[in-house]
Amino acid sequence: GAGVSQSPRYKVAKRGQDVALRCDPISGHVSLFWYQQALGQGPEFLTYFQNEAQLDKSGLPSDRFFAERPEGSVSTLKIQRTQQEDSAVYLCASSLQGRLYEQYFGPGTRLTVT
Amino acid sequence: AQKITQTQPGMFVQEKEAVTLDCTYDTSDQSYGLFWYKQPSSGEMIFLIYQGSYDEQNATEGRYSLNFQKARKSANLVISASQLGDSAMYFCAMREDAGGTSYGKLTFGQGTILTVHP
Repeated sequence: GAGVSQSPRYKVAKRGQDVALRCDPISGHVSLFWYQQALGQGPEFLTYFQNEAQLDKSGLPSDRFFAERPEGSVSTLKIQRTQQEDSAVYLCASSLQGRLYEQYFGPGTRLTVT
Repeated sequence: AQKITQTQPGMFVQEKEAVTLDCTYDTSDQSYGLFWYKQPSSGEMIFLIYQGSYDEQNATEGRYSLNFQKARKSANLVISASQLGDSAMYFCAMREDAGGTSYGKLTFGQGTILTVHP
């Protein structure tokens, strides 16, 4: 498919475990965003990449959250020592650089921390 | 202060009728963009419609139109001829272009659950 893909779609982690969430953006999309969506809420911005450069990480809630995009395509969001409050859907979105009127979202990864 | 406010937690509409979902926003930027997304139970965010702050005409996309009232800072979504498949959560979102350096970060509202009755 040509859309944004994310894996895994569902992840259950025990409190204290580390998790890694993957995002494959649309081919050629320079801009990549991660959002966190708590149950019943709107998505909230976490971080932004332009190619491999992380230009904005102001939304990351703590230093347990880390994101990377080493080759400017696939991105990984890592959460260390997961806590129950990390339970949420993590959405990835991508867009062409300068195309500020469109942003394509993936299906999300639903993380449940028990 | 909330940047995006959606005051309707839930809305009901009869199939084939029109429905308006409310959205008000708060920004001091002159340049910004407003989006509406649909999120069905599957979880994916589906782009519906976009309105730029300098666009003079209201945006339309098929059955979707955006009622943009800049002075009131409102960007309501109108869905005409509702279909059963329109039942979903709807989010209003804003992109602010402070100093012309925006890269596209979106701020979302709390969402409105729309239920279409047959």
